[in-house]
Amino acid sequence: EAGVTQFPSHSVIEKGQTVTLRCDPISGHDNLYWYRRVMGKEIKFLLHFVKESKQDESGMPNNRFLAERTGGTYSTLKVQPAELEDSGVYFCASSQRTGGGYGYTFGSGTRLTVV
Amino acid sequence: AQSVTQLGSHVSVSEGALVLLRCNYSSSVPPYLFWYVQYPNQGLQLLLKYTTGATLVKGINGFEAEFKKSETSFHLTKPSAHMSDAAEYFCAVSDRGSGGYQKVTFGTGTKLQVIP
Repeated sequence: EAGVTQFPSHSVIEKGQTVTLRCDPISGHDNLYWYRRVMGKEIKFLLHFVKESKQDESGMPNNRFLAERTGGTYSTLKVQPAELEDSGVYFCASSQRTGGGYGYTFGSGTRLTVV
Repeated sequence: AQSVTQLGSHVSVSEGALVLLRCNYSSSVPPYLFWYVQYPNQGLQLLLKYTTGATLVKGINGFEAEFKKSETSFHLTKPSAHMSDAAEYFCAVSDRGSGGYQKVTFGTGTKLQVIP
């Protein structure tokens, strides 16, 4: 089966611009997660979709971040306007089942650099 | 709240030597525990996990980890390091619950360097 696909793999934008990251989960996986790793720090949870609904968005840093999952398939994460501190690697993951005992399948990440 | 501490952001071992990556967790109840690995330019890959049962868990590529409740630890080991093991390793924890969604919390990662 195809894995979790993220694109772009890299993005360099100027402060104040808008960037949209996309994640295609494994087909049939209702659960989709976004995580972010700022350089050298831990991978932090951003939000969790179950199908098209936001189950938990407690990790979203502020209202400059908007995540959508229309139709319960792929998801987008938009940053508008981007700030320097938004730089990092954004990971998407999916899982078939909900529950803490199931490992996630991660994408390769999008490395975002805001200059 | 749950948390994960990985001791050592960088670990170097010689090829053929024992690999030991340390992980301690903090959780109100015995959690689910995971190790993920990230090879260069790739995504995170699940190496192994502990959910219940036997406390010594075997994973892919010869890695194993032991859940020690008394020490709140879940250290990752491999008897003999290979050059291909060079990667970044993340310990992660998820609380058990009455069912439903439980958030996964990651540690800061340990970069493993294997010296020929």
